[in-house]
Amino acid sequence: NAGVTQTPKFRILKIGQSMTLQCTQDMNHNYMYWYRQDPGMGLKLIYYSVGAGITDKGEVPNGYNVSRSTTEDFPLRLELAAPSQTSVYFCASSYRSISSYGYTFGSGTRLTVV
Amino acid sequence: RKEVEQDPGPFNVPEGATVAFNCTYSNSASQSFFWYRQDCRKEPKLLMSVYSSGNEDGRFTAQLNRASQYISLLIRDSKLSDSATYLCVVGGGKLIFGQGTELSVKP
Repeated sequence: NAGVTQTPKFRILKIGQSMTLQCTQDMNHNYMYWYRQDPGMGLKLIYYSVGAGITDKGEVPNGYNVSRSTTEDFPLRLELAAPSQTSVYFCASSYRSISSYGYTFGSGTRLTVV
Repeated sequence: RKEVEQDPGPFNVPEGATVAFNCTYSNSASQSFFWYRQDCRKEPKLLMSVYSSGNEDGRFTAQLNRASQYISLLIRDSKLSDSATYLCVVGGGKLIFGQGTELSVKP
């Protein structure tokens, strides 16, 4: 049972490049989320999805895009990378929006933009 | 005002000590409450859910005061392995994370 899988684990981008952070879950969860975490800070919600074909903005969506074509996959796209996007990105999923079990997180993608 | 605010850290305590973390939240409509643990910038992992009646899991006790919009976590008999950052998390559809409180347990 893999849970939530994120790839890549590490990436260095040059300013202006683009990339897609991959996230897939095998728990048949309807809800999926993307967070970023800057040093010494809590997690901030970028985008979330309540099911295939439905996405919505979180607290810090600027500079990112998402899609949800299947229940399993929720990729995060960075266009025109900027140094301010240097962060650790976590993908998470849950069966319900409100659950005693909280979220299951992937192991994260550490992104540096230079 | 931040949606979820925690005690600033770090907390440095000796093994065996009792330590308490506090957290306040601003949205009175919040419906779910958790404490997560995060080790060395790894992914957060659920430590425990927090219920209105209070709940205990071994050395860990969590309390919720809805009237004061306040959550606490008490760790008794601290172990070296308890060293981590503890995240207060509040939800009502989406989870909102506090900035975390770092705990360092020393021999």
